[in-house]
Amino acid sequence: LAKTTQPISMDSYEGQEVNITCSHNNIATNDYITWYQQFPSQGPRFIIQGYKTKVTNEVASLFIPADRKSSTLSLPRVSLSDTAVYYCLVLRSNDYKLSFGAGTTVTVRA
Amino acid sequence: DGGITQSPKYLFRKEGQNVTLSCEQNLNHDAMYWYRQDPGQGLRLIYYSQIVNDFQKGDIAEGYSVSREKKESFPLTVTSAQKNPTAFYLCASSSGTPSPYGYTFGSGTRLTVV
Repeated sequence: LAKTTQPISMDSYEGQEVNITCSHNNIATNDYITWYQQFPSQGPRFIIQGYKTKVTNEVASLFIPADRKSSTLSLPRVSLSDTAVYYCLVLRSNDYKLSFGAGTTVTVRA
Repeated sequence: DGGITQSPKYLFRKEGQNVTLSCEQNLNHDAMYWYRQDPGQGLRLIYYSQIVNDFQKGDIAEGYSVSREKKESFPLTVTSAQKNPTAFYLCASSSGTPSPYGYTFGSGTRLTVV
């Protein structure tokens, strides 16, 4: 599986946009990029998934450049409730193992 | 509502005891997983199962055992051979990979050795 690298932590203020970039240099052709959010003492929650270019849903946007060696999760106008750990993962078709790194702890301040 | 139910939410184990954590899903998902999370750490895969009556070891399977007799259920036993079992345990399921809706996680069981 492609190894991912993301910042350990990020601080922001309410109303700002938060962008978390994840590196996955050895991503394979059939791999997908997916992001999860986890609050303390809860299970991770699926945020968004993409293969290339841009994907947007009601929660976030995911930007993937043409070489796919990195991706950026964008959280628009964050609130205090967006304080959580965000995980970047690479999924491979027919590979059922989902591996989580340490993630990025995002702290939103008033 | 469909989802994953983990029980109990909190579990205390004495040294040398085996304990079993329950995980049930009604999402009709084929694949199920068990993860362990230590404070400030990411999730580490213990076991996973792609279909009934079949399962594979993950990255940290030593000291754990599982069974998959029913599609809906994937219980995890933490045996006495697991030397440091105190952790937060998470169960997940998916319809396959890459699933367009991702993996669904339960709310977790916090196991403490006393």
